[in-house]
Amino acid sequence: GQQVMQIPQYQHVQEGEDFTTYCNSSTTLSNIQWYKQRPGGHPVFLIQLVKSGEVKKQKRLTFQFGEAKKNSSLHITATQTTDVGTYFCADYSMDSSYKLIFGSGTRLLVRP
Amino acid sequence: DADVTQTPRNRITKTGKRIMLECSQTKGHDRMYWYRQDPGLGLRLIYYSFDVKDINKGEISDGYSVSRQAQAKFSLSLESAIPNQTALYFCATQAGGYNEQFFGPGTRLTVL
Repeated sequence: GQQVMQIPQYQHVQEGEDFTTYCNSSTTLSNIQWYKQRPGGHPVFLIQLVKSGEVKKQKRLTFQFGEAKKNSSLHITATQTTDVGTYFCADYSMDSSYKLIFGSGTRLLVRP
Repeated sequence: DADVTQTPRNRITKTGKRIMLECSQTKGHDRMYWYRQDPGLGLRLIYYSFDVKDINKGEISDGYSVSRQAQAKFSLSLESAIPNQTALYFCATQAGGYNEQFFGPGTRLTVL
């Protein structure tokens, strides 16, 4: 079945270092969404990418959609302790059922 | 007040008991979803509904049932709880199309 793979599973960085999480699929991704879940919290929508090669920025966060729409990435520049949490990518199911298929998430810890 | 609410927030129960988790929303969205979250496995879809007359199984519906009592209410039931249903459960809503999903605060369920 359709799968969205996300790496790494876990990353521990020093505050100020950069961080990147990658989302990959063997099939063409349709509409990639990124969510952030703070510890003890619920997923919160960050952004959606739709077009091949699309790049969007939100302050220190940069989101990219691959040219072939097989991958996406989230890059955080100069991490802060407020960035701690789990980042999920999600793609809509190919069967047009409006179901989101979530990646397994990347858990980010930031050392102050 | 929160747009998507879930009750209870925490529940401990015993094997074989029937449990109902409730979700209410004030966003006016037609689409509602139930997800289960386990460590390292991301969010997996249990059931989803696009209106009060529409109920669809997700990828892990076995052992669960749902009821869409009204546009604003979507309940998840475990008819006979088992320990491997111990997890964090999220309800989510969506306006339509390929828009973002809005998640409730979650219910942490423990089955002993």
